[in-house]
Order: sequence, then C-alpha cells, then structure tokens
Amino acid sequence: DTGVSQDPRHKITKRGQNVTFRCDPISEHNRLYWYRQTLGQGPEFLTYFQNEAQLEKSRLLSDRFSAERPKGSFSTLEIQRTEQGDSAMYLCASSLAPSGGVAETQYFGPGTRLLVL
Amino acid sequence: AQSVTQLGSHVSVSEGALVLLRCNYSSSVPPYLFWYVQYPNQGLQLLLKYTSAATLVKGINGFEAEFKKSETSFHLTKPSAHMSDAAEYFCAVIGGYNKLIFGAGTRLAVHP
Repeated sequence: DTGVSQDPRHKITKRGQNVTFRCDPISEHNRLYWYRQTLGQGPEFLTYFQNEAQLEKSRLLSDRFSAERPKGSFSTLEIQRTEQGDSAMYLCASSLAPSGGVAETQYFGPGTRLLVL
Repeated sequence: AQSVTQLGSHVSVSEGALVLLRCNYSSSVPPYLFWYVQYPNQGLQLLLKYTSAATLVKGINGFEAEFKKSETSFHLTKPSAHMSDAAEYFCAVIGGYNKLIFGAGTRLAVHP
C-alpha cells in the first residue's frame, strides 16, 4: 500500500527562480490538498482539488503560485519568482470523499522542504 | 470561522509519566476534530479523529482524546509516555471545503 509521495524532498533555489513540486496521491483518492508549514507553526491550507477541479485557493496563494491536477491524478505546485519568504515545508495530502457526511481522513506526504537563498 | 488553540508550545515529561496535550476549539457548527503527529523531517500522521460518534476517541500508539463540548476542548492524553512519543503534535478542526485548520503545535519531549 503506497502512501502519498512528494518530489523532490528538498529544494534549494536562488531568489527569483521558478520551482515546481509534484505530489502523487493515494491512487483511489479524489481529493488533494496543498499546505505550507513554516518553522514552528502548524500547516496552513493553500489549495484544494476535487478530481481535476481546483475548488478553493487560500489568500496565501499569491499570483506567483499556481497548482494543477491534470486528469485528477498527480498534482503540481509551481512558485514563480521565488522570494525568501517562500522558504517552508510544502505538504500534500489526499483523501477519499466520504459517504454519509463523516469527515474523511487526510493522508499526508513527507513534504518538500524549500529553501530560497 | 473555525479555529483551534493549543496551550503550551513545549511539554516535557518523564518516561512513564502521563502525557496531556491541550487543545481548545472554536466552531460555529458541530466540529470534526483531529490530532496528528509529526516526527522530524516527516509528514503528518493521524493519531485519532472525532466525528461525533463517541466523545472518548481512542487512537494509535495508546493515545486517546475526549471531546468536551461544555469546555470546547479536545485534549490528547496517554497514560504512560515512551521515548518514541517525542515529536510535534497538532490539533486540527475541519473548515470549509474540508480543509484542515491546524493549531501551532506542541512539541513533546520525553526524558529518561
């Protein structure tokens, strides 16, 4: 049983460069979430997909950030013109929409740690 | 809007002692509440979740949490701490579009 995977695990880049992260969810999961976690804080929601549709974006997701989930499978998160403030752990989670209205469990990947110099 | 507050950013206990990590929530609707654990340089792992079926929820690794509506609390406990419990623990509540809204976390240290 494979869990959520993320690639790369670590990324060091220079300010102004573009970076792209990939998330592969658990295969049958139709919901996918991106979160950002800075040092000493809890994860903060960035965006949410149900299948291929991006249904919500946080105000944290500036116009330099874009996320996609083509064909409702893997997802990518791109940051253009990176800034030092973008340094954080980027976490992906996936879940299966529940029946009966009970809250589903989100399964998290190991994260991609980004350092912008 | 939903939110959670975790009291105590650091908790230190002796091995074998009771673990108590505090979480208070704010929600305008009946909440769904979660506890996750994060080991260094890893993602988050679900410990347990409250979905209104029972107020005392048992999770993995001997942890449990009790939902108290009157106190708006969902504190996490474990009767006897083990060295392997040292990690960061996050309380979370479900918000709109099923996103998780996390507290700031509590780092648990376990000393011999």
